[in-house]
Amino acid sequence: KNQVEQSPQSLIILEGKNCTLQCNYTVSPFSNLRWYKQDTGRGPVSLTIMTFSENTKSNGRYTATLDADTKQSSLHITASQLSDSASYICVVADRGSTLGRLYFGRGTQLTVWP
Amino acid sequence: EADIYQTPRYLVIGTGKKITLECSQTMGHDKMYWYQQDPGMELHLIHYSYGVNSTEKGDLSSESTVSRIRTEHFPLTLESARPSHTSQYLCASSERTGEHGTDTQYFGPGTRLTVL
Repeated sequence: KNQVEQSPQSLIILEGKNCTLQCNYTVSPFSNLRWYKQDTGRGPVSLTIMTFSENTKSNGRYTATLDADTKQSSLHITASQLSDSASYICVVADRGSTLGRLYFGRGTQLTVWP
Repeated sequence: EADIYQTPRYLVIGTGKKITLECSQTMGHDKMYWYQQDPGMELHLIHYSYGVNSTEKGDLSSESTVSRIRTEHFPLTLESARPSHTSQYLCASSERTGEHGTDTQYFGPGTRLTVL
């Protein structure tokens, strides 16, 4: 069964600290993995997209890694800011259909305290 | 910020009413999607469209219907709203941006629907 599991479910950190969010998936055949940021009451916004040939991709203070062999990904946030408080969603696309079926994780709720 | 819009942002309505959630995008994307999301849960695809006059049901069974008469417009309709329809509804559109099928999806701000 194709699934995307994220951990931790929630995380609280102090402003300025770093953190790492985890994503494990069983989606096959794999096409690409995306990380989205979703602010409360808003739609998700894409942070990074990685294909099977990419091990790491950065977007400012966000760095995503991908290990296609172990089917794991992480999102590292450096020097956190209050505006980083949001839900971070891991999404995996398969290539078994024309649509490019997306499998969503439930997200990690990150809270950054001053 | 993506050019995709949803109205209304919030809607509280009584059981049995007919409602239409609007979604429009100005990016010229052929593919559009409707997702349903409950608090703390993952997004579930309920409808999608590859282009004008093309609509398909998604993975999550839904009593809603959609239409795609114009490229930029993808409204979702509930003929008779029920409390079980209370949820957040997210519209998205996408374009193919990479050789490996990496569609980039752009999401609207969502409509928070409450059915009393």
